[in-house]
Amino acid sequence: GAVVSQHPSRVICKSGTSVKIECRSLDFQATTMFWYRQFPKQSLMLMATSNEGSKATYEQGVEKDKFLINHASLTLSTLTVTSAHPEDSSFYICSASLFGSSYEQYFGPGTRLTVT
Amino acid sequence: EDKVVQSPLSLVVHEGDTVTLNCSYEVTNFRSLLWYKQEKKAPTFLFMLTSSGIEKKSGRLSSILDKKELFSILNITATQTGDSAVYLCAVERGNTGTASKLTFGTGTRLQVTL
Repeated sequence: GAVVSQHPSRVICKSGTSVKIECRSLDFQATTMFWYRQFPKQSLMLMATSNEGSKATYEQGVEKDKFLINHASLTLSTLTVTSAHPEDSSFYICSASLFGSSYEQYFGPGTRLTVT
Repeated sequence: EDKVVQSPLSLVVHEGDTVTLNCSYEVTNFRSLLWYKQEKKAPTFLFMLTSSGIEKKSGRLSSILDKKELFSILNITATQTGDSAVYLCAVERGNTGTASKLTFGTGTRLQVTL
């Protein structure tokens, strides 16, 4: 089946630093990748939709200059949290879509970010 | 504003019980409704529903959609401890020709005890 990996699985960083999270589709080419954030005991909130070779589309309220998304190839998308603050601490999950339809989304295992 | 509401928020049952989880929604440009199971990490896909009244089944799990009343239920019969998880309902929305998106509910946390 379709497998999506994320790296790192856990990261702790200091306030003010930047953190990069990678999302890879291991056995398929993903034209679209999605980035979600999940706070404790809350649901997944879509942050942005990333299409290979073009700029990401951000959801309302998500700062594009703070959450930089790059989708340089059909198997890799990265999310960089710039100038991280403690309130950015969350579980970040990516998903990859086979045909651009979100029901074919396959989720990565997530990255737990803690900003101290 | 698009909204997906799940109930109950949490549930504790004994092994062997049957449970029903609810999901109601208000979204524009509805395409489908999906159920996921989330244990410690990423959600895993359970069902996708697009048509009203057609039950989907997978083992002890089944689900049905009512597009008139805008809700769906997920049933789990003869529950086992391995069913303990958060069950997420998501609604796929989007216009024709654009990438569709998922709006998730807050989930129902199910705990099955011995």
